[in-house]
Amino acid sequence: NAGVMQNPRHLVRRRGQEARLRCSPMKGHSHVYWYRQLPEEGLKFMVYLQKENIIDESGMPKERFSAEFPKEGPSILRIQQVVRGDSAAYFCASSPQGTGTRFFGPGTRLTVL
Amino acid sequence: KNEVEQSPQNLTAQEGEFITINCSYSVGISALHWLQQHPGGGIVSLFMLSSGKKKHGRLIATINIQEKHSSLHITASHPRDSAVYICAVNDNNTDKLIFGTGTRLQVFP
Repeated sequence: NAGVMQNPRHLVRRRGQEARLRCSPMKGHSHVYWYRQLPEEGLKFMVYLQKENIIDESGMPKERFSAEFPKEGPSILRIQQVVRGDSAAYFCASSPQGTGTRFFGPGTRLTVL
Repeated sequence: KNEVEQSPQNLTAQEGEFITINCSYSVGISALHWLQQHPGGGIVSLFMLSSGKKKHGRLIATINIQEKHSSLHITASHPRDSAVYICAVNDNNTDKLIFGTGTRLQVFP
């Protein structure tokens, strides 16, 4: 039973490009959460999704950021027109229900040049 | 003031020492988590607890709901325990995880 998978593990983008971060939850988990960890800061909630539904996106920046969790395939966090301030580690977590232990992925480290 | 506060921020220890990391929170919670993050690495969930005490190997986590406080203890610490330890709580109203800023532990041989 593979854990939460994220890819790529490292992503380098130039300012203005798009970044797509993928998260495959653990088998049987239908709840996915995205968190951002800025350099030298704690983790911050971004968005909570179930299959085909965004449940809570109160932590997402209003512009350039979007997330989806389609019926088939991984959850995608998309950042358009990246800026240097988007450089961070982005972690995905999944759970079988809406509460309880979150199982974290290894993270994607985004560097914007 | 952060809703989840950890202390100390940084901690160094000699191998074999008993370690305590503290976490205080100010919101109503349904559960509290202790997480471990190695440098440049992913995050591992160590404990989730809502009352009392849990033990796993050399790690012990306790929580006092009335005092809104939790502690993570490491007995017989080892250099491989060096990591950032993060306390996080499930907010009772939203179920969102609110994270502390972490405690950076270094254990020297």
